[in-house]
Amino acid sequence: DGGITQSPKYLFRKEGQNVTLSCEQNLNHDAMYWYRQDPGQGLRLIYYSQIVNDFQKGDIAEGYSVSREKKESFPLTVTSAQKNPTAFYLCATQGGAFTEAFFGQGTRLTVV
Amino acid sequence: GENVEQHPSTLSVQEGDSAVIKCTYSDSASNYFPWYKQELGKGPQLIIDIRSNVGEKKDQRIAVTLNKTAKHFSLHITETQPEDSAVYFCAASGMSGGSNYKLTFGKGTLLTVNP
Repeated sequence: DGGITQSPKYLFRKEGQNVTLSCEQNLNHDAMYWYRQDPGQGLRLIYYSQIVNDFQKGDIAEGYSVSREKKESFPLTVTSAQKNPTAFYLCATQGGAFTEAFFGQGTRLTVV
Repeated sequence: GENVEQHPSTLSVQEGDSAVIKCTYSDSASNYFPWYKQELGKGPQLIIDIRSNVGEKKDQRIAVTLNKTAKHFSLHITETQPEDSAVYFCAASGMSGGSNYKLTFGKGTLLTVNP
């Protein structure tokens, strides 16, 4: 069953802790993205990667880190440096420049 | 970088009426313009897209128009139904640096179709 899987669906983090969000795909897509969604703010790009072992900062990369060691996986770490991490995080994949992007179901992160 | 503006932020229509959502983009190099629908608690899904070499594209009740000169594109939904109620996002993408591409999204439109 092809697709993109994000886990967990809900995540709670204490202030000062790092947390890693998982994103896995079996669509054999080269490009993977992380977006943050806040009410009224749309989808803001955090990081993206178009090939293994390479990634670029998006518009709001501060306080986040990523890795792309495998084509199938693009985990996002929310570090303690992120001042306001509570949000809905979406991962997406894309097979090429003019093709459909597929989104995961999202992870809702709450800082407690 | 690319900047995408989307209007209106909320739109309420009666069932059977038409709905129009408009977007503008800033980077004249952008050449791919998809529209996504997001239902509550889910990830967005593509509903229609258009490339810059086409002025209009239609798929049943949904159509998209593109004006490259004005850097403007719009989503048109006819004969709206309650199940069309959702958040709609426009996006723009182009190639930079020869092979680099990414999707930049608008802030979304909450469409409510009243029975």
